[in-house]
Amino acid sequence: GEDVEQSLFLSVREGDSSVINCTYTDSSSTYLYWYKQEPGAGLQLLTYIFSNMDMKQDQRLTVLLNKKDKHLSLRIADTQTGDSAIYFCAESSDSTGGGNKLTFGTGTQLKVEL
Amino acid sequence: DSGVTQTPKHLITATGQRVTLRCSPRSGDLSVYWYQQSLDQGLQFLIQYYNGEERAKGNILERFSAQQFPDLHSELNLSSLELGDSALYFCASSEGQTSSYEQYFGPGTRLTVT
Repeated sequence: GEDVEQSLFLSVREGDSSVINCTYTDSSSTYLYWYKQEPGAGLQLLTYIFSNMDMKQDQRLTVLLNKKDKHLSLRIADTQTGDSAIYFCAESSDSTGGGNKLTFGTGTQLKVEL
Repeated sequence: DSGVTQTPKHLITATGQRVTLRCSPRSGDLSVYWYQQSLDQGLQFLIQYYNGEERAKGNILERFSAQQFPDLHSELNLSSLELGDSALYFCASSEGQTSSYEQYFGPGTRLTVT
């Protein structure tokens, strides 16, 4: 079955880069996602990468995918206090019924200190 | 704002009761998904509907059911509620039914069972 793992906490100083890591088990995953959840809020889609890509850059965000090791990372450049949140990695898999679902990791709490 | 709306925002009810959570997808989206977020289970996929038809099913309890109506809004019905059903319930929507379409999440309904 699918399983997604993330480290629970990451603390960085404002202005530094943050790197949040994720490992997954389902080799049939087609898309991998990063979502952000701020306190009391829903999940905000940050970025995603197709499984045949190695890297995707979107402004301050860089996603790296190592498909062989089933390892995904999210790098946030010039981290700001507003980036403090929980970051979820998720893998998307298609079901036999024609639908799909997201399997989420446990989430990484990012704390940005001044 | 993702464009996905959920009502109510908060719900407090007693054990044994039944509640209905409502979701309106983004304009143009045909798929609706339900997820449960709890402290012990994390974020878990419950069920997906596409244009009124069930397309994928996760670990949804038999006490829970969902449907998607012709106007594409969806309802999640939770019955015989137990303390352990207390959680944040998210609805998400996407344009299509497969994993190639990104999912956008609503703000969630916080259910408290006392």
